[in-house]
Amino acid sequence: KQEVTQIPAALSVPEGENLVLNCSFTDSAIYNLQWFRQDPGKGLTSLLLIQSSQREQTSGRLNASLDKSSGRSTLYIAASQPGDSATYLCAVRLRDYKLSFGAGTTVTVRA
Amino acid sequence: GAGVSQSPSNKVTEKGKDVELRCDPISGHTALYWYRQSLGQGLEFLIYFQGNSAPDKSGLPSDRFSAERTGGSVSTLTIQRTQQEDSAVYLCASSLLILAVGGTDTQYFGPGTRLTVL
Repeated sequence: KQEVTQIPAALSVPEGENLVLNCSFTDSAIYNLQWFRQDPGKGLTSLLLIQSSQREQTSGRLNASLDKSSGRSTLYIAASQPGDSATYLCAVRLRDYKLSFGAGTTVTVRA
Repeated sequence: GAGVSQSPSNKVTEKGKDVELRCDPISGHTALYWYRQSLGQGLEFLIYFQGNSAPDKSGLPSDRFSAERTGGSVSTLTIQRTQQEDSAVYLCASSLLILAVGGTDTQYFGPGTRLTVL
């Protein structure tokens, strides 16, 4: 069974600081890994999807890396803003197509 | 175009009653997924559909849970004889199609239905 762990569980930083969110998974035979954002009371918004053959993906201030062999992914958010405050979820997809989620990292960016 | 929509957004029911949750996927998306997000348990997979068929029902927690999809579009998740432990947010997602290794199949999520069983 795939286990997905996210560290830290919560993070509070001043505005402008870079954010580093970690995700680890136990089964390296993944098809892809996806990072989501969830705002309170809302659904999930896909941020980045990294295919199994890729090592990183970038979108604006977001950059996600993937190291399949070590079972790790890191999401970097540059120059954080108060609007980045949310819960960030990492999810991996195996051959059975369902996503296995981590518990999330709750981020607070202080103005 | 419109995203994934779910209804109702909130549902409060009494223990023992049946409930139906509805999901409208993005038009043209052949794959549809149901997940449940409970306090303290994170997001767990329930079931997925490829077209109208459900190849993987492994996540359904009990035989009180069932789901169907008609016309390759709308899906309904039914919970019979609800229990308090069924209280959670039920999320639906859709993706364009399921591809082989290395494929891209970003899942797009709806806003969820918050179910409270009293």
